[in-house]
Amino acid sequence: GESVGLHLPTLSVQEGDNSIINCAYSNSASDYFIWYKQESGKGPQFIIDIRSNMDKRQGQRVTVLLNKTVKHLSLQIAATQPGDSAVYFCAEISGNTPLVFGKGTRLSVIA
Amino acid sequence: DAGVIQSPRHEVTEMGQEVTLRCKLISGHNSLFWYRQTMMRGLELLIYFNNNVPIDDSGMPEDRFSAKMPNASFSTLKIQPSEPRDSAVYFCASSLMGGDIQYFGAGTRLSVL
Repeated sequence: GESVGLHLPTLSVQEGDNSIINCAYSNSASDYFIWYKQESGKGPQFIIDIRSNMDKRQGQRVTVLLNKTVKHLSLQIAATQPGDSAVYFCAEISGNTPLVFGKGTRLSVIA
Repeated sequence: DAGVIQSPRHEVTEMGQEVTLRCKLISGHNSLFWYRQTMMRGLELLIYFNNNVPIDDSGMPEDRFSAKMPNASFSTLKIQPSEPRDSAVYFCASSLMGGDIQYFGAGTRLSVL
């Protein structure tokens, strides 16, 4: 039979626009969250993290928002560039247990 | 530090052959993780170690897979015998502790013919 691969959600944005990538996490006990970026042919790379005692954290061109009430995390990328094209994963941690990765979202930047 | 180093970057082998993937941790990191990534299943955690001790190997597909940490800075993932369905990209990651940011290597792309 034909193989069926993971159908990643895809977000297409125009170069220069802002991107918002969303993630719903599952464990209400998770207290630490991380966003990773994976470019084609490379391993996931750390982008930004946030602890559960915060609801917003900013980096360079990226902002992570955390809504613990609805268990939702988002990554905002300002002025999206072609180099931002990648698959983005959110990951959650509870205590000292390893990361639990989400399925990922593919970001495509249209030049 | 050069980061997590994996070798080889690419491996092509025939069904039934033994495959050994290698990983060098970031100096000072105490936790080591092996992942497998495929189009079908995405990123799967196979096994992880804290201080050279395997903590959870529930993600290891079957007895054909084994992982070791002969010392604090190095790990191997072995598949014996390999099968075509093992074809995937295998990533190694390390972190200071189990619940900390993980830093990934560039991966080994394995093709079993």
